[in-house]
Amino acid sequence: AQSVSQHNHHVILSEAASLELGCNYSYGGTVNLFWYVQYPGQHLQLLLKYFSGDPLVKGIKGFEAEFIKSKFSFNLRKPSVQWSDTAEYFCAVTLNTGGFKTIFGAGTRLFVKA
Amino acid sequence: DTGVSQDPRHKITKRGQNVTFRCDPISEHNRLYWYRQTLGQGPEFLTYFQNEAQLEKSRLLSDRFSAERPKGSFSTLEIQRTEQGDSAMYLCASSQSTGALTEAFFGQGTRLTVV
Repeated sequence: AQSVSQHNHHVILSEAASLELGCNYSYGGTVNLFWYVQYPGQHLQLLLKYFSGDPLVKGIKGFEAEFIKSKFSFNLRKPSVQWSDTAEYFCAVTLNTGGFKTIFGAGTRLFVKA
Repeated sequence: DTGVSQDPRHKITKRGQNVTFRCDPISEHNRLYWYRQTLGQGPEFLTYFQNEAQLEKSRLLSDRFSAERPKGSFSTLEIQRTEQGDSAMYLCASSQSTGALTEAFFGQGTRLTVV
């Protein structure tokens, strides 16, 4: 069955530290990849997406992610986090088979210490 | 606010009662999705509409669950004979089909507590 795995459930960083959140998926076909963020008390918002082309995608607020097809990975990175990045981050995969089911990972809670 | 809106935001119900949630998608979006999210988990897909047609349903959607989108605009999700295990956040999302997949925009969710 298709699945999305996020490596860390909780991450605590100090401001200015670098961030990398791991995401791996299991599906051999064509996929579309997303990272969503949920700030405390708010709804899910799109951070960035990959459909095709350059595997290094840039999103909002200085986030970027790299699609490595051979590793079935789509890791999220930010060189220097801020306190306002405290949120829950979800990796998601939509299977490009004509159906539009999106599978989410369990999420990673990031806490940035000021 | 022209985003996805869900009503109610919170619902507390007694076990065995029926509940109905409403979702109003972004007006030009023809796809609508329902997800369920429990504590410590990511959203789990429940069902998906393209216009008024329900095209896919998850096995998570038991016979007690039914979703409709009668005019291809708003959608309702009904849970009959609620059970404590139904307690969760129910999320609605919408997107616009353009030939390629686009991202979904999520509502704030309806938090259901079954007591």
